[in-house]
Amino acid sequence: EADIYQTPRYLVIGTGKKITLECSQTMGHDKMYWYQQDPGMELHLIHYSYGVNSTEKGDLSSESTVSRIRTEHFPLTLESARPSHTSQYLCASSESATEEPQHFGDGTRLSIL
Amino acid sequence: KNQVEQSPQSLIILEGKNCTLQCNYTVSPFSNLRWYKQDTGRGPVSLTIMTFSENTKSNGRYTATLDADTKQSSLHITASQLSDSASYICVVNDRGSTLGRLYFGRGTQLTVWP
Repeated sequence: EADIYQTPRYLVIGTGKKITLECSQTMGHDKMYWYQQDPGMELHLIHYSYGVNSTEKGDLSSESTVSRIRTEHFPLTLESARPSHTSQYLCASSESATEEPQHFGDGTRLSIL
Repeated sequence: KNQVEQSPQSLIILEGKNCTLQCNYTVSPFSNLRWYKQDTGRGPVSLTIMTFSENTKSNGRYTATLDADTKQSSLHITASQLSDSASYICVVNDRGSTLGRLYFGRGTQLTVWP
């Protein structure tokens, strides 16, 4: 079982609030990722990081931002939540970008009212 | 356009029966293909990962096959159990970038009935 944790698991919050989704891994992986997943749809990469102080935007445009100050921690922030941000957010990490499987957390299900 | 298509979209089988899930892809250049199992409300968990040179890989009751020439893969589940009920996601990795871009299918939702 992979040691990657996301909090909170569920969040229901009103429009305009600032939100931070937490993701931590204890495996020492350099690579970390954030995905967005809607019901019945494929995962879409929204942010990734190669290591400390490295962050890049993914394929799906997102109004969220990320930071990577420590290897084990990769939080995602929404400055002003909107109903269009309602989705499931999955965090993942891996040892190598191409050869090793990504290990996923159990996700945060976010609902913006 | 690189794509990963899975079929069927959903499948219901009885406990103890076998089933096969299909994945067709157009991703090029190809690096590897992965199958993930995603339980409801959980994150995906890796089942197998196959490179270009591998035709078959097993993980317990799960056996994945890969035909890189026809760009097809299958996941065979033997003697299904209730705990196999989940979404099975096919993911193809290209080798055209340092990141190793992952292309996700939409998954096959498998339900195993007692």
